[in-house]
Amino acid sequence: ETGVTQSPTHLIKTRGQQVTLRCSSQSGHNTVSWYQQALGQGPQFIFQYYREEENGRGNFPPRFSGLQFPNYSSELNVNALELDDSALYLCASSLVHGSTDTQYFGPGTRLTVL
Amino acid sequence: GQNIDQPTEMTATEGAIVQINCTYQTSGFNGLFWYQQHAGEAPTFLSYNVLDGLEEKGRFSSFLSRSKGYSYLLLKELQMKDSASYLCAVRDRRGNKLTFGGGTRVLVKP
Repeated sequence: ETGVTQSPTHLIKTRGQQVTLRCSSQSGHNTVSWYQQALGQGPQFIFQYYREEENGRGNFPPRFSGLQFPNYSSELNVNALELDDSALYLCASSLVHGSTDTQYFGPGTRLTVL
Repeated sequence: GQNIDQPTEMTATEGAIVQINCTYQTSGFNGLFWYQQHAGEAPTFLSYNVLDGLEEKGRFSSFLSRSKGYSYLLLKELQMKDSASYLCAVRDRRGNKLTFGGGTRVLVKP
């Protein structure tokens, strides 16, 4: 167990809808990164939040947005859902400026878009 | 950008040794990570290399050669529970992004 939690576990939406996924970081960690993992592929970096600011973004459109709160928990919002957004969404927490900044993953949210 | 290559699938026998190779081409490098992922679960951290050489952790070892853009994960004394996907990931120079390979699915047979 990494201490990183995500909710909900599973979610089914239809095309065009909006979704919010949540992540609570491990105690003492100040950074949250979000990844999208399609079936049979490695995770793809969406963005990272550090001290409530976006701290790097992958190749995802602006309809993917996020927030980080003062307690370091985070949200991922996806607007105008498309079928290709169906995936496992993983968040990972880490301690920036630590010796390795190792990212520890939560259990993920499985999103299905119909 | 980053490009990470690893084999798609490997099969090995219980008690044997398996070596999973990972090659990478990067515009910046700040460490290489190996994660284990069982089907339907989150990736779990296995090892981290930032300097050349071998890091050993029990039955798992990881090796890095920065000049060759090459790493491997060695799994010894294979157990059935080691059947999983193994993900190689490179961290960029800025330190805020992991780029993952597609994962190597290891099947351990009795």
